[in-house]
Amino acid sequence: SAVISQKPSRDICQRGTSLTIQCQVDSQVTMMFWYRQQPGQSLTLIATANQGSEATYESGFVIDKFPISRPNLTFSTLTVSNMSPEDSSIYLCSLRGEGTSTDTQYFGPGTRLTVL
Amino acid sequence: EDQVTQSPEALRLQEGESSSLNCSYTVSGLRGLFWYRQDPGKGPEFLFTLYSAGEEKEKERLKATLTKKESFLHITAPKPEDSATYLCAVLGGSEKLVFGKGTKLTVNP
Repeated sequence: SAVISQKPSRDICQRGTSLTIQCQVDSQVTMMFWYRQQPGQSLTLIATANQGSEATYESGFVIDKFPISRPNLTFSTLTVSNMSPEDSSIYLCSLRGEGTSTDTQYFGPGTRLTVL
Repeated sequence: EDQVTQSPEALRLQEGESSSLNCSYTVSGLRGLFWYRQDPGKGPEFLFTLYSAGEEKEKERLKATLTKKESFLHITAPKPEDSATYLCAVLGGSEKLVFGKGTKLTVNP
């Protein structure tokens, strides 16, 4: 499976500021996803980011708050804008397997965000 | 709407005490059922994909099984290093992976 890395691994931010999270994959993938995991909760899909098209956002998530870039097949960024303490979560980059494992999704190590 | 329910929410075992975790699901057009392990503060680690009822997969002390309505993750003779949260997810016709809330497993030495 592909190796997924995220930067930063964690950050503490002040309310009202923005943070951009980077996701790098060691091979080309078509479908990438961004998830949020709030404390004690399971994973919630924020958006699907396919290269060459606009990201598709899930209900409750909007582009102004969570702008996403997907400039090529190995890289994506998620920005958390105008942060509030409610945005404190783990943010996870994910990709769907290619080739023989097209349905299996793999996850990055996550970015732990704390907003004060 | 696809749904996944995991039980129990938390499970405490003694080292060597075998048990099972349950994942009940409803999905339109099952493409796969997935089990992940998640350690605190980390991303989910892929364990198994099951595609059809009757399928079984094993990895070390873990064995996953699938029926038309549920999946079980059997843990045989667990060790303290098996302590983690185990997540179940389904992928169906919506193309979106839907997760359960997980079972937090603690194995005491």
